[in-house]
Amino acid sequence: ELKVEQNPLFLSMQEGKNYTIYCNYSTTSDRLYWYRQDPGKSLESLFVLLSNGAVKQEGRLMASLDTKARLSTLHITAAVHDLSATYFCAVDPRTNAGKSTFGDGTTLTVKP
Amino acid sequence: ETGVTQSPTHLIKTRGQQVTLRCSSQSGHNTVSWYQQALGQGPQFIFQYYREEENGRGNFPPRFSGLQFPNYSSELNVNALELDDSALYLCASSLDSTGAGANVLTFGAGSRLTVL
Repeated sequence: ELKVEQNPLFLSMQEGKNYTIYCNYSTTSDRLYWYRQDPGKSLESLFVLLSNGAVKQEGRLMASLDTKARLSTLHITAAVHDLSATYFCAVDPRTNAGKSTFGDGTTLTVKP
Repeated sequence: ETGVTQSPTHLIKTRGQQVTLRCSSQSGHNTVSWYQQALGQGPQFIFQYYREEENGRGNFPPRFSGLQFPNYSSELNVNALELDDSALYLCASSLDSTGAGANVLTFGAGSRLTVL
């Protein structure tokens, strides 16, 4: 059974600081996704990582994938309040595209 | 391009009742997946429909069932509701689950079910 673990689950940081969220998964996969969820809203796709060593960047967020270590990171640079949200990583089992297993999410609060 | 729409947005039921949730997929998408998101947790995969057939199921009992229609819209039915069924039910559409590339899910806003 595929398991996806994120840490930390809760993260409070000051504006302007950097931090990294980690996502570990238990079985071989080559499709990893990062989503953002604002309170009371649905999930919004941020990044798709499809191969070992893949790196994607959008604004202050950068995601990377190490398939050998079964690890993805979401790095936040110079955080701003607008980044406050819950971030989920999700993994597709290799033989089951689109049937994603999600982590429990990291709730990020950025304080002035 | 319209996104994924779900109805109803909120509903309250009592134990033992039945509920039907509806989902219209994003234009051009032929695959619909349903997820259950309990408070404070990540979404859990219920099942996926592709070309009107169930195409994979998560660890949910048979009282969770679904349909996909020729226009790719979908329904989730839950019979004999239990208190633990209280959750946000998310529908997500995607282009094609059989492809080798990315299969990014486009989520609807969800249907929040409360079982009393």
